Amino acid sequence: GIQVEQSPPDLILQEGANSTLRCNFSDSVNNLQWFHQNPWGQLINLFYIPSGTKQNGRLSATTVATERYSLLYISSSQTTDSGVYFCAAQLVRDDKIIFGKGTRLHILP
Amino acid sequence: ETGVTQTPRHLVMGMTNKKSLKCEQHLGHNAMYWYKQSAKKPLELMFVYSLEERVENNSVPSRFSPECPNSSHLFLHLHTLQPEDSALYLCASSQAGWEGGMNEQFFGPGTRLTVL
Repeated sequence: GIQVEQSPPDLILQEGANSTLRCNFSDSVNNLQWFHQNPWGQLINLFYIPSGTKQNGRLSATTVATERYSLLYISSSQTTDSGVYFCAAQLVRDDKIIFGKGTRLHILP
Repeated sequence: ETGVTQTPRHLVMGMTNKKSLKCEQHLGHNAMYWYKQSAKKPLELMFVYSLEERVENNSVPSRFSPECPNSSHLFLHLHTLQPEDSALYLCASSQAGWEGGMNEQFFGPGTRLTVL
């Protein structure tokens, strides 16, 4: 079936480190969004990025739809960046939205 | 604050109870969504309402019944649930309607539901 795979599943970093989170999708998508879910369960919209590159402070994202992947970059990590990062993709074939299983990020002080 | 509120934040119910979850968005958006987040499973889209019309329903059991009386309010009515329905239920809204496909979504804090 259609898959949205995120890697790595877990990531532990020291404060100040940089990281790259990846989202691969097995079928053509026309929309993609990145979210951060904090330790209290709140899901925050980070980027709506069907293609191209966007930046917001220490975070940036790039989607290459033709190659079926999206990347989320976090620079100079802070402990408040801890949580789970999800990507969600909307499939071209049937408009279904599929979420990846997330990358759990733990930033150590 | 994302502009999307949900009540209650926590709910414990028996399998024979009837309860409702409420979502309200203060953003003037045109589409609203219900998601289910179970432990160790990806988020699942349950229902989409665009301009108060249901446009998407991902094979959700009939014991979940959505209602969208206006563009700012969304309910999820629960009836004779099962323990496996215990999950975090998230509401979201987006500016554009569903006819544009997935749009930038803003989420509420969720309702943590436990079915005994």
